[in-house]
Amino acid sequence: DSGVTQTPKHLITATGQRVTLRCSPRSGDLSVYWYQQSLDQGLQFLIHYYNGEERAKGNILERFSAQQFPDLHSELNLSSLELGDSALYFCASSPWGGSDEKLFFGSGTQLSVL
Amino acid sequence: AQSVTQLGSHVSVSEGALVLLRCNYSSSVPPYLFWYVQYPNQGLQLLLKYTTGATLVKGINGFEAEFKKSETSFHLTKPSAHMSDAAEYFCAMRYSGAGSYQLTFGKGTKLSVIP
Repeated sequence: DSGVTQTPKHLITATGQRVTLRCSPRSGDLSVYWYQQSLDQGLQFLIHYYNGEERAKGNILERFSAQQFPDLHSELNLSSLELGDSALYFCASSPWGGSDEKLFFGSGTQLSVL
Repeated sequence: AQSVTQLGSHVSVSEGALVLLRCNYSSSVPPYLFWYVQYPNQGLQLLLKYTTGATLVKGINGFEAEFKKSETSFHLTKPSAHMSDAAEYFCAMRYSGAGSYQLTFGKGTKLSVIP
């Protein structure tokens, strides 16, 4: 158990809909990262938050947004969903966000867009 | 731009045989390198990491990797495969400079262990 909690584990929705994925980092970790894992693209970095502030953006679509709340949990919002958004979405956390820190990954949210 | 290439999307070895998973990187600055493992229906777990210092890095479960700057490689090895090693393995890289928050992953190598 990594200590990172993601909910829900599975999400099935229709095209055009909006969903919210939730992540609770390990106790004390200030950095939260979101990754998308798909068969064709592999693991893609989406966004990084540190103590409530956005620190880096990767291949995140404009239809996607995220935030980190004062209690350090984070949410990833996906809107106007398309079939191609079907993927496994991982959240990871680390203490400070330093380059040499290991990331602790949650078990992921499997999103299926029908 | 930094990138990570894993050679072989699928590797099969016999139980007790040597495991060798290949990873090459491209980076204009000294990299920090990582190997993560993903078991079915689970998140990724860190096996080992290279930051600075000794180029031969030992990790969990008997795995080790050697950083070879001249070859831009960071191959993962284990002398004797166990059935429990069957999983997907990801090589990953970060810049060693400040502000480098992005962990860049390779496409992954699925390891099968044949009894």
